[in-house]
Amino acid sequence: DTAVSQTPKYLVTQMGNDKSIKCEQNLGHDTMYWYKQDSKKFLKIMFSYNNKELIINETVPNRFSPKSPDKAHLNLHINSLELGDSAVYFCASSRGQGGNQPQHFGDGTRLSIL
Amino acid sequence: QKEVEQNSGPLSVPEGAIASLNCTYSDRVSQSFFWYRQYSGKSPELIMSIYSNGDKEDGRFTAQLNKASQYVSLLIRDSQPSDSATYLCAVKDNAGNMLTFGGGTRLMVKP
Repeated sequence: DTAVSQTPKYLVTQMGNDKSIKCEQNLGHDTMYWYKQDSKKFLKIMFSYNNKELIINETVPNRFSPKSPDKAHLNLHINSLELGDSAVYFCASSRGQGGNQPQHFGDGTRLSIL
Repeated sequence: QKEVEQNSGPLSVPEGAIASLNCTYSDRVSQSFFWYRQYSGKSPELIMSIYSNGDKEDGRFTAQLNKASQYVSLLIRDSQPSDSATYLCAVKDNAGNMLTFGGGTRLMVKP
């Protein structure tokens, strides 16, 4: 009964390819997020959606396009993958946007660009 | 640019000792503060949240917040080897839902 689940867990692909990562939460939360954690372990917000609407877009290249078909799902599509995209991508969710709502993370997708 | 600073460590403590992890933040209007634990190769796991000045205790963990000095700390009493992990401090302001993370402190508890 995983709360926030991401697929795939590992993704190895060539530079220039297009790939997608899927995320689903069964917590009934309204808000979902995508984070990128680089090799130095810094965890940075990329996008946030609330009830399927984009509310945060943190200067991410437009090769990255999130899509939220419903409030339980937030997928991430990446076009023309570059070497610098290699990282761990975490999906997270929270009950709402309020300051005291903690975020719960998925297990991460380890993306390696060859 | 909102910043959250942590000493990257590693912080090494013997088993049974108190581990003290510190975090400073730059945005004065920050209202919510979280500590996450991340084992190597795993996802961040929420262990403590604190919203008011003072101490908040939960089992072996105590979070301390001082908004005037803009720092938040985490104390781990009776440290165990299983506490060895990276501890991430995260700060959120009340206006939005953006969580800003520090770079994490790696804690090593030696038997």
